Amino acid sequence: QITLKESGPTLVKPTQTLTLTCSISGFSLTTAEVGVAWLRQPPGKALEWLGTIYWDYDQRLRSSLRDRVAVTQDISKNQVVFSMANMDPVDTATYYCAYHVPGPNSFDHWGPGILVSVSS
Amino acid sequence: DIQLTQSPSSLSASVGDTVTITCRASQAIGIDLNWYQQRPGEAPHLLMTAPYHLRRGVPSRFTGSGSGTQFTLTISSLQPEDFATYLCQEGYNLPYTFGQGTKLEIK
Repeated sequence: QITLKESGPTLVKPTQTLTLTCSISGFSLTTAEVGVAWLRQPPGKALEWLGTIYWDYDQRLRSSLRDRVAVTQDISKNQVVFSMANMDPVDTATYYCAYHVPGPNSFDHWGPGILVSVSS
Repeated sequence: DIQLTQSPSSLSASVGDTVTITCRASQAIGIDLNWYQQRPGEAPHLLMTAPYHLRRGVPSRFTGSGSGTQFTLTISSLQPEDFATYLCQEGYNLPYTFGQGTKLEIK
């Protein structure tokens, strides 16, 4: 059974860096043709894909956030780490990690999400 | 970026009804369109991919169709657990845009 779970702070101050961890089970980060994606959903707004790291360490990031976002993986811990610099109140959202299947580029399994608020 | 427009934005229906949700893409995306169901306070759940391959375990009352720029999700014989928000998502190009969602409510 594939599961993912996000962890990290639920409140950050403006200009701070957000760091979230996605802990996975039921698959390996080295499984071919698999990626772990990060997405977010601001309250009442559409979901937004932020980036994906793939089994071969390749990654794709949302171009508009490329200067602020990084995604890394720790194979030994079965974790994917997401960081976003210079947080702003508009970045308040529920952040999700998800199992990303290339090809259809679908997000087949999701963590429960973590609501991150940005406020001083 | 590709834009996805869902219609209607909300919809009221009764148990047993059949409803259709439309997703229009701002440019042709072949068949690279996925559908999700999202209940309040929960993460989305994948229903089908590209755009009519039903995910294992999803009831056959959910059907998808379309190609190019217009896609539809039809839910037949609505069940109480089907009242939720439905999202389309394009897998054709980065940044894998999602639609704004269609909220299906009980009449």
